[in-house]
Amino acid sequence: EDQVTQSPEALRLQEGESSSLNCSYTVSGLRGLFWYRQDPGKGPEFLFTLYSAGEEKEKERLKATLTKKESFLHITAPKPEDSATYLCAVQADSGGSNYKLTFGKGTLLTVNP
Amino acid sequence: DTGVSQDPRHKITKRGQNVTFRCDPISEHNRLYWYRQTLGQGPEFLTYFQNEAQLEKSRLLSDRFSAERPKGSFSTLEIQRTEQGDSAMYLCASRGQFYGYTFGSGTRLTVV
Repeated sequence: EDQVTQSPEALRLQEGESSSLNCSYTVSGLRGLFWYRQDPGKGPEFLFTLYSAGEEKEKERLKATLTKKESFLHITAPKPEDSATYLCAVQADSGGSNYKLTFGKGTLLTVNP
Repeated sequence: DTGVSQDPRHKITKRGQNVTFRCDPISEHNRLYWYRQTLGQGPEFLTYFQNEAQLEKSRLLSDRFSAERPKGSFSTLEIQRTEQGDSAMYLCASRGQFYGYTFGSGTRLTVV
């Protein structure tokens, strides 16, 4: 069974204090790894998709990286508006059921001014 | 607005009542998913449609749950005889052939 574990569960940063969120995964064959941002009471908002080890993607203050066992979401000089829950999800290449996403529990990020 | 729309945004119902939620996907997306999310957890897969065909259902989808997608357009998720454990955020997502998954804002269900 596909598993996704995110750490830490919660992270509190000061504005400008860079850090990283971790997502470790176990899948039979990785088709894609997804990062989403979720604000309270709203649906997940797409950030990145990574497909193979070594791949990196950047968007503003966020950078996602992927290895064969884990992914990192690096946040550089965060601002209070980056406060949200960050979700990691995997799509497994497991034959007929390779469509759905399996999510981790998320990391709740709080950035204080 | 070309995003995924869900209705209603909030629903409060008494235990034992039936509820129905609606999802309107992005028009060119032929794949539609339902997920359930409880507090402090990530979304959990419930069911998947490709066009009008329901191709996969999770073990989480008990006999009280039914989903439809007539004509491959909008989808409905019905919960019969609601229980307090059904209280959650119900999320809909759609995906086209070349696009990532786009989620709606969800329907927050509270069973009292």
